[in-house]
Formats: sequence, structure tokens, C-alpha cells
Amino acid sequence: RKEVEQDPGPFNVPEGATVAFNCTYSNSASQSFFWYRQDCRKEPKLLMSVYSSGNEDGRFTAQLNRASQYISLLIRDSKLSDSATYLCVVNPTGRRALTFGSGTRLQVQP
Amino acid sequence: NAGVTQTPKFRVLKTGQSMTLLCAQDMNHEYMYWYRQDPGMGLRLIHYSVGEGTTAKGEVPDGYNVSRLKKQNFLLGLESAAPSQTSVYFCASSRDYTDTQYFGPGTRLTVL
Repeated sequence: RKEVEQDPGPFNVPEGATVAFNCTYSNSASQSFFWYRQDCRKEPKLLMSVYSSGNEDGRFTAQLNRASQYISLLIRDSKLSDSATYLCVVNPTGRRALTFGSGTRLQVQP
Repeated sequence: NAGVTQTPKFRVLKTGQSMTLLCAQDMNHEYMYWYRQDPGMGLRLIHYSVGEGTTAKGEVPDGYNVSRLKKQNFLLGLESAAPSQTSVYFCASSRDYTDTQYFGPGTRLTVL
């Protein structure tokens, strides 16, 4: 089983739609969680950290469910510029490094 | 503010040739990482460093060596390149392993 699993998509949504991605992780003792964004043929960049109580940054909301071992990302009012691959990232306990999921591709259409 | 830079941006090698990829960061970060990214595989950690003079193996270290002689630089070496090492290589740095990682623009390597 992969340490971090994501639905590869693509998720094709119209502008203005709300879309949500989930990501599951296998190490129940993982401590840190993030969402990164990667544009085509570019480097990944931090979108937001994910906190236990959930957190929001503008149109983006991240949630953590420790009991079920998943994190989610909700994007409201999708923009064309949101088209990218979204990477779920986890810090498994005992390792001084992050583990990246394979990513979920989002395509927002006019 | 340069952030994380990588040299070269593109390279084509023949099987058996060697090369070194250079990563430099100007943020005074302790942690540095080398990843490879292949289609459908996501980012896989090759080696990482928790400070000057230290290195550690990641998920896929075979066929690669690294060195961190200076805090700001992290070198990735391929001693005898193989077609299976055709990939995009990303370097990243962070203040701490639980902290945000900042990535370089990547090196696209093709091994023929």
C-alpha cells in the first residue's frame, strides 16, 4: 500500500464550480500535512498547510480527518488559473522528510 | 531573491556516462533534498541532507550519490547513467523537515 494515495483524475469542472479532492495516508502517526500545487512542467509550490481543526485560505479549505486517515482540499468558485496538479504531502513519523502523493489533476474549463 | 536554483536545466547523456547536478539555495536552510519525478509516479525522494556534511538515503537512492560540502549546495551525482534514470530531477530545501519545502525549477535528464 502506498503511504499517500490520491485519485489521479483528471477532474474536469466548469468555471465557478466547487470541487473537492481527498487523499489517504497509511501512517497513523503522521504529524504534518500539506497541499502543494504543481503547474505543468513546473516545480511544486506550497498551497497550504493542513491543521487539525481545518483551515481556510480564500477559496481553498483544507480538512484533516485523523480517525479515517485522510485529508481533503475544497476549492470554491473555480478559476481557469486553478488548473494544475494538486499534491497531497505527509510527514510520516520517524522520517526527516515529506512523502508526496502522485497528485490529482484539475482542469477548469470555460 | 534567487531561492533554489538548479544547474543544468536540460541534459542528454549516453548510457554509462557520468554527470553531476548542482543545487544551490540562498535561504540558509538546513535541510536539502533531491527528488525524481516520473509520469504517474509522483515525487520520489532520492537522498536528503539534514545539514552541512550530512547525507541520508531516501526512497530510491540506488545509482545516485550526493554530497553537501557547503550548507548552500547539494550535489547529485550519477556515476554510470542508465536509461531508467531518465526523469525530471527536483531539488528542494527547507528550514526543518516539517516545514515548507522550496523547490528549484528542475533538471530534465534524458539517458539514451
